[in-house]
Amino acid sequence: EDQVTQSPEALRLQEGESSSLNCSYTVSGLRGLFWYRQDPGKGPEFLFTLYSAGEEKEKERLKATLTKKESFLHITAPKPEDSATYLCAVGYYGYGQNFVFGPGTRLSVLP
Amino acid sequence: GAGVSQSPSNKVTEKGKDVELRCDPISGHTALYWYRQSLGQGLEFLIYFQGNSAPDKSGLPSDRFSAERTGGSVSTLTIQRTQQEDSAVYLCASSLAGPPGYGYTFGSGTRLTVV
Repeated sequence: EDQVTQSPEALRLQEGESSSLNCSYTVSGLRGLFWYRQDPGKGPEFLFTLYSAGEEKEKERLKATLTKKESFLHITAPKPEDSATYLCAVGYYGYGQNFVFGPGTRLSVLP
Repeated sequence: GAGVSQSPSNKVTEKGKDVELRCDPISGHTALYWYRQSLGQGLEFLIYFQGNSAPDKSGLPSDRFSAERTGGSVSTLTIQRTQQEDSAVYLCASSLAGPPGYGYTFGSGTRLTVV
């Protein structure tokens, strides 16, 4: 049973063409939803944590929002340097390693 | 150092051989995690060390996988009798104590290829 899914799997945008990435989750008892950026050959780099529905966070051209079942990462007027894989992860209340990553969205921004 | 260091960055090994992957966490970080990332898959949890507590090994996929952490610092992930399905990027993350996911700093990973 998939707990965290992301769509689309891959996305190509022209420079300046805004869009959104989706992260859907089915866990109950959300403790936090995390967004990471991963460049080729590198480990994931932390971007945001969202804790409750309605919360929003921004960083440069990125804005993350959260509802009860999903999160969106909005990219406004992207630049080629925004090209990367964007991962979301969900932490939830429970025993053990209650922290699950989604498969990621591979974003390419063309000049 | 300033970040999490992993070595080697790339490893090609023959099926059936043993491999050791090393992770040097950020100084002062008591929590250390190993994850595996396969193409098109999310990061898969392998093992978690917190201070002097017994490690959480619940994510290790088979008894061919083991890990240790010496002196609360450097960790080594060992894969015995490697199989082709072990090919993946192995990522290490460290953090100050806290729930899983909080304050992670990842290394750049070791890309393991089993031929």
